[in-house]
Amino acid sequence: AQSVAQPEDQVNVAEGNPLTVKCTYSVSGNPYLFWYVQYPNRGLQFLLKYITGDNLVKGSYGFEAEFNKSQTSFHLKKPSALVSDSALYFCAVRDRNTGGFKTIFGAGTRLFVKA
Amino acid sequence: NAGVTQTPKFRILKIGQSMTLQCTQDMNHNYMYWYRQDPGMGLKLIYYSVGAGITDKGEVPNGYNVSRSTTEDFPLRLELAAPSQTSVYFCASSYSDRGITEAFFGQGTRLTVV
Repeated sequence: AQSVAQPEDQVNVAEGNPLTVKCTYSVSGNPYLFWYVQYPNRGLQFLLKYITGDNLVKGSYGFEAEFNKSQTSFHLKKPSALVSDSALYFCAVRDRNTGGFKTIFGAGTRLFVKA
Repeated sequence: NAGVTQTPKFRILKIGQSMTLQCTQDMNHNYMYWYRQDPGMGLKLIYYSVGAGITDKGEVPNGYNVSRSTTEDFPLRLELAAPSQTSVYFCASSYSDRGITEAFFGQGTRLTVV
């Protein structure tokens, strides 16, 4: 069975500091991995995805994520946080051999960036 | 390019009432999805569609119905609303159901059943 875990309900970071939002997953085969961001009263917006190859994936707004197969993790990172990065972040995963309807979303991690 | 548009944005229903949540997309995507978002629970798939005339149940379909008469529209029907259906509902679409394609989401409908 597929699953995804975001172990932190909330992450607090000061503006200018690096941030990490954690995600671990479980799939029976090889994964497709996604990060989405949700700003207040808005739908989810795509940030980045892992396809294959380079384990470090770069996405929108300066975010990047590192795929670690041995640790089954796909942590979201940004070298220098902005107040405007404050939002709800969702990790999502599915097995490559399944359809999009099989995408599993994590419970979300709320990021607070303090000025 | 509007993307995925949902209406209404907010709605309060009384127990036992019915309503339809509208969703339309202008990206010519074949694949469309309805999710509900409950606090601390992530998104749960209610129904999905792989093209006009084809729909299937997701993880939490009870109490809901869908139809897909056109590529653009994918309405979600709530019959006999119950407090357990209080949630935020998101419609999404994607270009493909396979491959590494991401989903595009609407702004959501916040529904309260009282």
